[in-house]
Amino acid sequence: DGGITQSPKYLFRKEGQNVTLSCEQNLNHDAMYWYRQDPGQGLRLIYYSQIVNDFQKGDIAEGYSVSREKKESFPLTVTSAQKNPTAFYLCASSMAREYVQFFGPGTRLTVL
Amino acid sequence: DAKTTQPPSMDCAEGRAANLPCNHSTISGNEYVYWYRQIHSQGPQYIIHGLKNNETNEMASLIITEDRKSSTLILPHATLRDTAVYYCIVQANTGNQFYFGTGTSLTVIP
Repeated sequence: DGGITQSPKYLFRKEGQNVTLSCEQNLNHDAMYWYRQDPGQGLRLIYYSQIVNDFQKGDIAEGYSVSREKKESFPLTVTSAQKNPTAFYLCASSMAREYVQFFGPGTRLTVL
Repeated sequence: DAKTTQPPSMDCAEGRAANLPCNHSTISGNEYVYWYRQIHSQGPQYIIHGLKNNETNEMASLIITEDRKSSTLILPHATLRDTAVYYCIVQANTGNQFYFGTGTSLTVIP
């Protein structure tokens, strides 16, 4: 059953703690993306990666970090430097040079 | 810098066609029109995309005007499960991200 998985669906953390969100895909897609969505808003790009061991900042990368050690995985770490981390986080992937992106189910992060 | 303009909300009767408009008057020649939808608290779902010609798939039809400055997504027989926020996006196939606006909230009414 191919697709993109994100875990966990809901995540609660205390202020000041780093937290890592998981994103895995078995679609053999080259490119992967992380977006953030706030209530009533569209999606904003945090980071993207077109190939393994390479990634670029999106519009709102401050306070976040990523890694791309494997083609299938693109974890996002929300650091304590992110001033307002409570949001809905969405991971997506696409074939290289084909820009239809497919999204995972999302992780809702709440920082208490 | 919004590239698309969509009405914030629309209603449609169940079983009728839902026609969702999108204006993209500044679209460039190499930019595609993409449509996604997002049901509450889920990831966006790809619906359809096109460049110049009208497109149809199992979910919807996309009608793009000849000057490409606007388009319409058509859900031919709307069901309650089509209630969602629909996003129209223009993006060249040389870019790396989609710019999602606030979309159109479609409510299908029984």
